[in-house]
Amino acid sequence: QLQLQESGPGLVKPSETLFLTCTVSTGSISSGSYYWGWIRQAPGKGLEWIGTIYYSVTMYTTYYSPSLKNRITISVDRSKNHLSLRLTSVTAAEEAVYYCARQKAVTATSAFDIWGQGIKVTVSS
Amino acid sequence: EIVMTQSPGTLSVSPGERATLSCRTSQSVNSNLAWYQQRPGQAPRLLMYDASTRATGIPARFSGSASGTEFSLTISSLQSEDFAVYYCQQYDNWPRTFGQGTKVEIK
Repeated sequence: QLQLQESGPGLVKPSETLFLTCTVSTGSISSGSYYWGWIRQAPGKGLEWIGTIYYSVTMYTTYYSPSLKNRITISVDRSKNHLSLRLTSVTAAEEAVYYCARQKAVTATSAFDIWGQGIKVTVSS
Repeated sequence: EIVMTQSPGTLSVSPGERATLSCRTSQSVNSNLAWYQQRPGQAPRLLMYDASTRATGIPARFSGSASGTEFSLTISSLQSEDFAVYYCQQYDNWPRTFGQGTKVEIK
């Protein structure tokens, strides 16, 4: 089964840019057309969807949380078989475990059925 | 943005008993609602999608139902591994939104 693995720096300074990647293993990010999302969870809090990319070989579309719209970029690198999250001007409130996940079906209206294990990001100077 | 309201916040149940968790959406999401289980230190796991369809490998003691904007997840006979936090999520509209979670704890 497809597996996802998040990676990136575990520590980011306030006001700097967070850059995370999600590597797809035992499968290809280019196989079919899927929706790939990023979800985060602050310590002791619930899940927060932050963005999704619909990716196919011929096109992509991104959807972002309105609260992050001007600071977030999600992209796919086919050659590296991974998707990326870029979040600028981070604050301490964005300290969280960041998960990548894939939607179950190729339609927009589907649940996240495959999740990475998550990566903890600390925001501190 | 669709607001998801889960209740109760915490549910105390004895092993073997039945648990019913609720999720209300602020507007119609059709049946585009999922339930996830999250155990401590683990990533969420998809339990139910399309409101009432069990995901692959999910035991039959889990069931989901819907009535308008009211959704429920029922665990018919709680096992030790079911004590966890449960989240509902709508995927009908952007932005996607989650409920705040219901913690099922051992009574």
